Amino acid sequence: DQQVKQNSPSLSVQEGRISILNCDYTNSMFDYFLWYKKYPAEGPTFLISISSIKDKNEDGRFTVFLNKSAKHLSLHIVPSQPGDSAVYFCAASGSNDYKLSFGAGTTVTVRA
Amino acid sequence: DTGVSQNPRHKITKRGQNVTFRCDPISEHNRLYWYRQTLGQGPEFLTYFQNEAQLEKSRLLSDRFSAERPKGSFSTLEIQRTEQGDSAMYLCASSLDRPTGELFFGEGSRLTVL
Repeated sequence: DQQVKQNSPSLSVQEGRISILNCDYTNSMFDYFLWYKKYPAEGPTFLISISSIKDKNEDGRFTVFLNKSAKHLSLHIVPSQPGDSAVYFCAASGSNDYKLSFGAGTTVTVRA
Repeated sequence: DTGVSQNPRHKITKRGQNVTFRCDPISEHNRLYWYRQTLGQGPEFLTYFQNEAQLEKSRLLSDRFSAERPKGSFSTLEIQRTEQGDSAMYLCASSLDRPTGELFFGEGSRLTVL
């Protein structure tokens, strides 16, 4: 039962351009959303999060947008840099739910 | 390094053997999680602990799997009578005691069952 879906397994973008990663969820009880970044042979590391009371959260080059009515969130990276090449996971949890449900990930490749 | 530590990083075993993985969480974190990740998939929740109490187990955790966290510090995940389908990356994470807290992951223990 995949409650968090990332339908694009890969994304290739030129350095300096914007990367847009998308994520959809089905569980209406989810109210906290996170993005994790993973390099090969390393564990996932936290990137940015957003609570359902907001529709946008920005941290430097990274912005997450949340559309609750559509059960959709997106991560914007601008400008994209070669070091951003990694797998990005979308994750979600509900109130009082301590575990995270993850999407399958999107592999981002930033071309020089 | 005060991050989450897992060992061994890689374990190769023959089908039917038992394996055990260890996780040392960040010291001030009282919640500890085990996830499993297979190729092309995101991490899948297996179980989590608050201190030494195991509070939730996924249906993915068959009776061949057992996890412990004695004294609320490090945790072990044991897989008995391994099967080829158990081949995966086993990730441990820890967090502070709040529902929307960020999880801090270790580098994982990769299991290969021949």
